[in-house]
Amino acid sequence: DGGITQSPKYLFRKEGQNVTLSCEQNLNHDAMYWYRQDPGQGLRLIYYSQIVNDFQKGDIAEGYSVSREKKESFPLTVTSAQKNPTAFYLCASSPDGGGYTFGSGTRLTVV
Amino acid sequence: GQSLEQPSEVTAVEGAIVQINCTYQTSGFYGLSWYQQHDGGAPTFLSYNALDGLEETGRFSSFLSRSDSYGYLLLQELQMKDSASYFCAVRSWTSSGSARQLTFGSGTQLTVLP
Repeated sequence: DGGITQSPKYLFRKEGQNVTLSCEQNLNHDAMYWYRQDPGQGLRLIYYSQIVNDFQKGDIAEGYSVSREKKESFPLTVTSAQKNPTAFYLCASSPDGGGYTFGSGTRLTVV
Repeated sequence: GQSLEQPSEVTAVEGAIVQINCTYQTSGFYGLSWYQQHDGGAPTFLSYNALDGLEETGRFSSFLSRSDSYGYLLLQELQMKDSASYFCAVRSWTSSGSARQLTFGSGTQLTVLP
């Protein structure tokens, strides 16, 4: 079945450490997105990519980085510059103009 | 900038009808979407309106008025499993005119009581 796979489901980060969240899709979608969700709040856009080897900053890109070397993959790195990284991270993909399909999310906690 | 407003909480009983409103302010508006999210889960797509009017999908309907920058999600014959958060999301063009992305509202927590 086609879908989006995010891993790991839970991730713990120490202060000053970089961590990378994986997002893989087999839906053949061109566009991919990373959102952050804090408790009781909506989704805020971190980065998005419309095509391979191209990506754009969203509303809260500071402290994050991405790459899009393959159509299927859009990993997100949470760097030490992100001062409040504890959140639920959601990856999504969409065909051009279509509805978003979301992964099951990664819950990141700073310890 | 872009902003969306929707009620934070709505409560209704099984079998009832509930309407969740969404007003938005955005430039480059393209369409309004609705997503459902159960606790700890991923949002799932419910509906999309690009043109004025009502779209019906089973027990769920969505309405859009572009002139009023307003839309709503209508849930009929409520079931306990409908208890979840519902997000409206605006699809818009970027300032460069090259991409369409979703901006989400803060969500409405729907509680369905027996």
